[in-house]
Amino acid sequence: QKEVEQDPGPLSVPEGAIVSLNCTYSNSAFQYFMWYRQYSRKGPELLMYTYSSGNKEDGRFTAQVDKSSKYISLFIRDSQPSDSATYLCAPAQGAQKLVFGQGTRLTINP
Amino acid sequence: NAGVTQTPKFRVLKTGQSMTLLCAQDMNHEYMYWYRQDPGMGLRLIHYSVGEGTTAKGEVPDGYNVSRLKKQNFLLGLESAAPSQTSVYFCASGRGLRRNTEAFFGQGTRLTVV
Repeated sequence: QKEVEQDPGPLSVPEGAIVSLNCTYSNSAFQYFMWYRQYSRKGPELLMYTYSSGNKEDGRFTAQVDKSSKYISLFIRDSQPSDSATYLCAPAQGAQKLVFGQGTRLTINP
Repeated sequence: NAGVTQTPKFRVLKTGQSMTLLCAQDMNHEYMYWYRQDPGMGLRLIHYSVGEGTTAKGEVPDGYNVSRLKKQNFLLGLESAAPSQTSVYFCASGRGLRRNTEAFFGQGTRLTVV
């Protein structure tokens, strides 16, 4: 079993829709939960970060972590064509390394 | 404002050839990482380093070696390239998750082994 499972998509939605991206993980020791965004032919960039369970909001983006069910979510409100990218969840344990999900390729259609 | 720079950006190798990928960061980060990205597999950690002179194995280290002789550089070596090593390679650096959660990535190296 992989440590992190993420639906690879692709996911295609119309502009303005609410998008829900999800990951599950198996390692209960994960404490930090990141979402990275990767545009085509570019390196990933950090989008959101949460520590332990709970919600965190940043503009149109909300990250949610439920440690009891080992479930990570990213919500995008009022989605824009510029949000079209691959989104990677990345839980982490300790200080040293990230474990990435497979990534979900998202397309927002104008 | 360079950040993380990878050299080269593209490379085609024949099976059995060797090469070294160079990663350089100018942010004085302690931690550096090498990942490979394959379709449907996400990013998988090859090797990482928690400081100058240190290296450690990640999830998929076989067929690769690394060195961190200088704090700003992290080298990834392929001694005898195989077609299974065709991939996009990303280097990243950071201060460690307890101090700063962000890992900064380079632009990637596209390697094809024929």
